[in-house]
Amino acid sequence: GEDVEQSLFLSVREGDSSVINCTYTDSSSTYLYWYKQEPGAGLQLLTYIFSNMDMKQDQRLTVLLNKKDKHLSLRIADTQTGDSAIYFCAETDGATNKLIFGTGTLLAVQP
Amino acid sequence: EAQVTQNPRYLITVTGKKLTVTCSQNMNHEYMSWYRQDPGLGLRQIYYSMNVEVTDKGDVPEGYKVSRKEKRNFPLILESPSPNQTSLYFCASKTSGGVGTGELFFGEGSRLTVL
Repeated sequence: GEDVEQSLFLSVREGDSSVINCTYTDSSSTYLYWYKQEPGAGLQLLTYIFSNMDMKQDQRLTVLLNKKDKHLSLRIADTQTGDSAIYFCAETDGATNKLIFGTGTLLAVQP
Repeated sequence: EAQVTQNPRYLITVTGKKLTVTCSQNMNHEYMSWYRQDPGLGLRQIYYSMNVEVTDKGDVPEGYKVSRKEKRNFPLILESPSPNQTSLYFCASKTSGGVGTGELFFGEGSRLTVL
């Protein structure tokens, strides 16, 4: 079946850049997503990228997509303590159109 | 305010005692889904519904039932809960059935413990 993999934990200092990586398996995914889960809350869509794009920038967030390697990354510039959360990568299953979520990366921002 | 509301938020129960987790959305979304979140496993889909009276199994449907009699409600039923169903459950909804055509909105989660 389809699989989305992420590292489980990332620790950065406030003000540094964070890079969260994700690999996926379904080359027919039309959209790839980043969701953010703050403590005690549900997931919220952070950003997404269409599969024919290499990069998308939205304020402090930069999404890079390498379709050849099936690699997606989320860069957060000037990371703040409020960015501490779990970040989920998700792809669409080309056959069923379902969202397949990764395991999530816990981002800890040290003051 | 546009939202997905789940109840209860926290529940401790015992093996075999039937329970229902309710989910309601006020955005007139056609698509609704239930996920469970477990450490190291991410989110796994239990059931989903493309519209009223249409439900389908997700990746981990065993031990769960759902119904979609009205567009706004999508309850999750555990007929005979077991300890391996201890988890954090999320309901989510979006407009239309196509994943790429809309953002998935999540409820705040229901933490269930089965003793």
